[in-house]
Formats: sequence, structure tokens, C-alpha cells
Amino acid sequence: GAVVSQHPSWVICKSGTSVKIECRSLDFQATTMFWYRQFPKKSLMLMATSNEGSKATYEQGVEKDKFLINHASLTLSTLTVTSAHPEDSSFYICSARLAGGQYTQYFGPGTRLTVL
Amino acid sequence: DAKTTQPNSMESNEEEPVHLPCNHSTISGTDYIHWYRQLPSQGPEYVIHGLTSNVNNRMASLAIAEDRKSSTLILHRATLRDAAVYYCILRSGPSGTYKYIFGTGTRLKVLA
Repeated sequence: GAVVSQHPSWVICKSGTSVKIECRSLDFQATTMFWYRQFPKKSLMLMATSNEGSKATYEQGVEKDKFLINHASLTLSTLTVTSAHPEDSSFYICSARLAGGQYTQYFGPGTRLTVL
Repeated sequence: DAKTTQPNSMESNEEEPVHLPCNHSTISGTDYIHWYRQLPSQGPEYVIHGLTSNVNNRMASLAIAEDRKSSTLILHRATLRDAAVYYCILRSGPSGTYKYIFGTGTRLKVLA
């Protein structure tokens, strides 16, 4: 149980275009999902917390107009990178948190974004 | 935000036990200690978590110091597939908004 999927697993796009990444909890409902980014050989950096039915909470320094997050259902959150530029190239990882309990997060496999 | 400190890297021989340490001296009384590991180009994988008592599961054991300022992840018999970056994390933030703040982790190398 507690499986999280992401789609696509990798994407290449041209500079200036927008890219949408989906994060789904497959076998549980997640009222809260998180989005991280990771640069090569670096640790994960939390970008935002996504709560179902409400606006996302962004970490300091993360542009909310550039990284649009929608959490329309208990099993789906999306991250849209708008007007992508080469510096946005990174590994994007989502996680979903089981409601209640000890708030353990389960992570998706990640999406590799390359902006040309 | 509560922070953790881990050695940057460790090595172990295959089939031998591995003890991965983590310091979290600013831990608060209600913070759970979570361990994850990450293989290259994959998302982190849950390993184990605990609050005060030592914990065991099929993957590993977690030993928590009595004062909770440190913990140790124990892999009982390392295999080549255990080579990964191991993260010790404290959930952080007000009740109901707990989030993970990742440190640098420990890169475990397993020697055949």
C-alpha cells in the first residue's frame, strides 16, 4: 500500500513553454501533498505544501506564479512549471501524506524536467 | 525548523551490519524521527520511523537515544541493493502542517 505515482517520468521542453506534472496517490486518500525539487547530487528542497481544496503554501523563495499547484481531489495534485527556462531543469518529486497517524509521507518516483 | 546532522558518507562490506547515525539535538517532544533512503534517479523510499522506543521492521531497526537527541538506523546485513543516500528527518512545523526538511543525508557505499 501507500503507492504514489508521477506522470510523466521525464519531459523535455523548449524554453518559454509550460509543463504540467501529475502526482497521484493510488491506494489511499491524501489531503496533503508536497512538491520538492532536487538538483544533481543535492538534497531535496521543499517547494510547496498542497492541501486538497485550498491554495498551496509555498516555501520562501519559491515563485508561486511560476510553479502553479492544483490539488483538486484527494488523489491528485498537479504542478505546472510556467514559461520554463533552462534553470528550471531539475528532478521534481511529489509526496503524499496519509491522513492522521504519524504523518508519514510517501514519495513518487520523480519527474526529470529538461528545458532546452 | 528542527534539523538533523548526518555523516556525508559511509562504507560497509556486504553481508555486514551497518549503523547510520543521526544527531537531532533540537528535537521537540512530539517530533517523530523518520528515515528514508533514495536510490539514484528515484524518489525517497520510506524505511522506518519512531518516537521514543526502538523500532524494528523488515527493512531495518531504529535505535533512539534515551534523551532523543540522536538515533541510529541499523541495517542488519547490508546488500549491494542497500547502496543509497539515507536521510534522517524530523517532521517540522505547527500541528497539522508537519513537513519534512531534508538534510544532506549519508551516502552509503556497500562493498562486495
